[in-house]
Amino acid sequence: AQSVTQLGSHVSVSEGALVLLRCNYSSSVPPYLFWYVQYPNQGLQLLLKYTSAATLVKGINGFEAEFKKSETSFHLTKPSAHMSDAAEYFCAVSDFNQAGTALIFGKGTTLSVSS
Amino acid sequence: EAGVTQFPSHSVIEKGQTVTLRCDPISGHDNLYWYRRVMGKEIKFLLHFVKESKQDESGMPNNRFLAERTGGTYSTLKVQPAELEDSGVYFCASSQALGGSTQYFGPGTRLTVL
Repeated sequence: AQSVTQLGSHVSVSEGALVLLRCNYSSSVPPYLFWYVQYPNQGLQLLLKYTSAATLVKGINGFEAEFKKSETSFHLTKPSAHMSDAAEYFCAVSDFNQAGTALIFGKGTTLSVSS
Repeated sequence: EAGVTQFPSHSVIEKGQTVTLRCDPISGHDNLYWYRRVMGKEIKFLLHFVKESKQDESGMPNNRFLAERTGGTYSTLKVQPAELEDSGVYFCASSQALGGSTQYFGPGTRLTVL
């Protein structure tokens, strides 16, 4: 069965610092991988997704993630944090080989950005 | 283009009552998903519609939950009778295609059962 582990339920950074949110997945088949963000009082918004093309995926708002099969990881990074990045971030996986499957989410990581 | 909408945004009911949540997907999206997040836990899949048909309902917790998608447009999720453990945020998502197609999420309905 597929699973997702997000290390750290809460990450705090200073404005301008590097953001690194960790995600490891478990899947017996090639996965699709996603990062979603939820701002306060809003729904989930897709940041980026990996669908077996380039292993380095660029998303919105300056975020990017690298698919590393050997490490079964898909960590999310941003070189310089902005106050507006404060939100909850979710890593998710779905089954590459089975069309239409549900997303399996990690528990989420809340990012706080201080000035 | 309008996004996924959900109604109501909040609902507070007493144990034993019935609640119906509604989801309107993005126009033209055949695939509609329901998810739930219980406080402190991860977001979990409930079920998946393709048009009006239930493709996968393996995540539905029990028979107190009934989902419908008449006509393949909007969907409703009814909880009857509601229990305390049903409290959480219910998300709806829709997608145009299958596989790695992006699922677009609504803002969620926060359900509180007292």
